[in-house]
Amino acid sequence: NAGVMQNPRHLVRRRGQEARLRCSPMKGHSHVYWYRQLPEEGLKFMVYLQKENIIDESGMPKERFSAEFPKEGPSILRIQQVVRGDSAAYFCASSPLPPGKLNTEAFFGQGTRLTVV
Amino acid sequence: TQLLEQSPQFLSIQEGENLTVYCNSSSVFSSLQWYRQEPGEGPVLLVTVVTGGEVKKLKRLTFQFGDARKDSSLHITAAQPGDTGLYLCAGAETGNQFYFGTGTSLTVIP
Repeated sequence: NAGVMQNPRHLVRRRGQEARLRCSPMKGHSHVYWYRQLPEEGLKFMVYLQKENIIDESGMPKERFSAEFPKEGPSILRIQQVVRGDSAAYFCASSPLPPGKLNTEAFFGQGTRLTVV
Repeated sequence: TQLLEQSPQFLSIQEGENLTVYCNSSSVFSSLQWYRQEPGEGPVLLVTVVTGGEVKKLKRLTFQFGDARKDSSLHITAAQPGDTGLYLCAGAETGNQFYFGTGTSLTVIP
């Protein structure tokens, strides 16, 4: 049973370009979470999705950022017109059930390190 | 917004010493998870605690969930360099996300 798969592991974009980060959850998991992390800091929640639905996007910047989790295929975090401040590690996690249900746990991918030059 | 505060934020100790990391909140959680993250990698789940007052042991690591399910602690006995990493607690309740703590960065010096 493969774990959470994220790709690419490293992504370099010039200012103004678009960045697309992909996340394939663990088999059987329909709940996906995206987090952002700066060096030496904790995880900052961005968005929680369940197949085809955005459940909580309270951590997403209002502009340039969007996320989707289609019926088929991986979840995508999209950053348009990237700026230097977007440089960070972006982690995806998945769970089989919603948070708090039957003590479900979240499992993480290895992250995508975005560098904006 | 639920907040999980971890302390200390940074900890540097000698190999063989014991240490305790704390995770505190004003909110009640149905379960609480501890993760360890190494540089360049994603967080790895260590344990989940569910019942107030619960104690779980994982080799040299002991995890405790507070009676009121608002706080937790992680105690490491005889720390080793391989324990070095960022320790994160996360609380789950029936809601919209897993709430992560601020993290404790541990360095164990050989």
